[in-house]
Amino acid sequence: DGGITQSPKYLFRKEGQNVTLSCEQNLNHDAMYWYRQDPGQGLRLIYYSQIVNDFQKGDIAEGYSVSREKKESFPLTVTSAQKNPTAFYLCASSIGLPDSPLHFGNGTRLTVT
Amino acid sequence: AQSVTQPDIHITVSEGASLELRCNYSYGATPYLFWYVQSPGQGLQLLLKYFSGDTLVQGIKGFEAEFKRSQSSFNLRKPSVHWSDAAEYFCAVGAVNTGFQKLVFGTGTRLLVSP
Repeated sequence: DGGITQSPKYLFRKEGQNVTLSCEQNLNHDAMYWYRQDPGQGLRLIYYSQIVNDFQKGDIAEGYSVSREKKESFPLTVTSAQKNPTAFYLCASSIGLPDSPLHFGNGTRLTVT
Repeated sequence: AQSVTQPDIHITVSEGASLELRCNYSYGATPYLFWYVQSPGQGLQLLLKYFSGDTLVQGIKGFEAEFKRSQSSFNLRKPSVHWSDAAEYFCAVGAVNTGFQKLVFGTGTRLLVSP
């Protein structure tokens, strides 16, 4: 079955370290997204990519970086510049048209101490 | 820019009772509207979507939603709630005129189902 795989499910890091979250999809979707979820704040868009080798900042991109070298993969790096990195991170993909739904992975919970 | 308001943070419903979750959006043109459901520690699953046509849309798991342009609302309903419906529900709005999908999500409503 096609879907989105995020790994690992839980990730622990020390403050000051960069960490990369993996997101792979086999849905043949052009568009991919990273969202951050905090309690009571819903989902906030970090970065999105409409096509390979192209990506745009979302609403809360500071302290994060991404790459899109392959259609299937859209890794997110949480850098030491991100002030409050502890959160639940969700990756999604879609065919990219305005009325097309997002397909979500099961998320990675990042804890930074 | 579009925005979404879900005024209820928590709702408790008895099993078998009816459910209505509220969603109000702000957008200058006809929006694309979605409802998603999230179980704890999981990703989001699409329940239903609206972008044109009949203003009452049917979704999975017995859910439906009604688009009311005059009230800028897209409330989610279910006639009889099951214990397995306990989850968090998110309303989202997409812009029609960007040529690309970029959703804005509400802050979610957590549904608790009592026996």
